[in-house]
Amino acid sequence: EAEVAQSPRYKITEKSQAVAFWCDPISGHATLYWYRQILGQGPELLVQFQDESVVDDSQLPKDRFSAERLKGVDSTLKIQPAELGDSAMYLCASSPHKTASVEQYFGPGTRLTVT
Amino acid sequence: AQSVTQLGSHVSVSEGALVLLRCNYSSSVPPYLFWYVQYPNQGLQLLLKYTTGATLVKGINGFEAEFKKSETSFHLTKPSAHMSDAAEYFCAVSLQGAQKLVFGQGTRLTINP
Repeated sequence: EAEVAQSPRYKITEKSQAVAFWCDPISGHATLYWYRQILGQGPELLVQFQDESVVDDSQLPKDRFSAERLKGVDSTLKIQPAELGDSAMYLCASSPHKTASVEQYFGPGTRLTVT
Repeated sequence: AQSVTQLGSHVSVSEGALVLLRCNYSSSVPPYLFWYVQYPNQGLQLLLKYTTGATLVKGINGFEAEFKKSETSFHLTKPSAHMSDAAEYFCAVSLQGAQKLVFGQGTRLTINP
C-alpha cells in the first residue's frame, strides 16, 4: 500500500539554526499539505500545494518558514532561524484530488525539538 | 469561518463499554465532516467521513458517526471498546468547494482493562 514518506522522523536543533523537512507524497497525488501539530492540539495547515503551485499559505510564518515543491512531486519545508516555539510535529499529507470531500493521506510526521 | 469543538480532551472507558466522542462544528453552510485517529508518534488515519447522503456513516474498526444538522454535531461512537482503540481522535471540517481541513483539539481515548 502506497504511503506518504517523511524524513527525518525526529530532529533536535538549537535555537537560531536552520532546519529542513522532506516529504514524498503518494505517487500521482497532485495536492500536498504541510501541517504543524503542537503537543495537545489538532493539526494546523501551514501550506497547501496544487502540483507545484501554492494554493494557501495564509498561516505560514513567512519571515522564517519557506516551502517548495519544485517539480510538483516531493516537497521541502524549511525553518530559518528556528525558535523555541517551533517545537512541534510537522505532518505532510497528500490527496489525489483538490476537492474537499476527498481523504487526505498523512505521513508519520517529523517531530522537531528546538533547544 | 468554520470551526470544530471537541468536548472532553480526555475520555476513559472500560474495555467492552460504549465509546462516545463528541464533536460540534460551526459552519454557515453544510460542511464535510471527518474523524481521524492518531496513534503515538504516527500520522493521522481516516476513520470515516460525511459528505452527502446518509447521515449515519460507518467507518473502520467498528466506529460510526451520525451527522445531525439541527444539533451541528458529528459524534463518534463504538458499541464495545477494545484495548487497541486507545489513541488520539480528531474531528475535522471542510467546506464544499474548499480544500482546507480545520481540526478540533483532539480527544485522547484511554481504555481500562
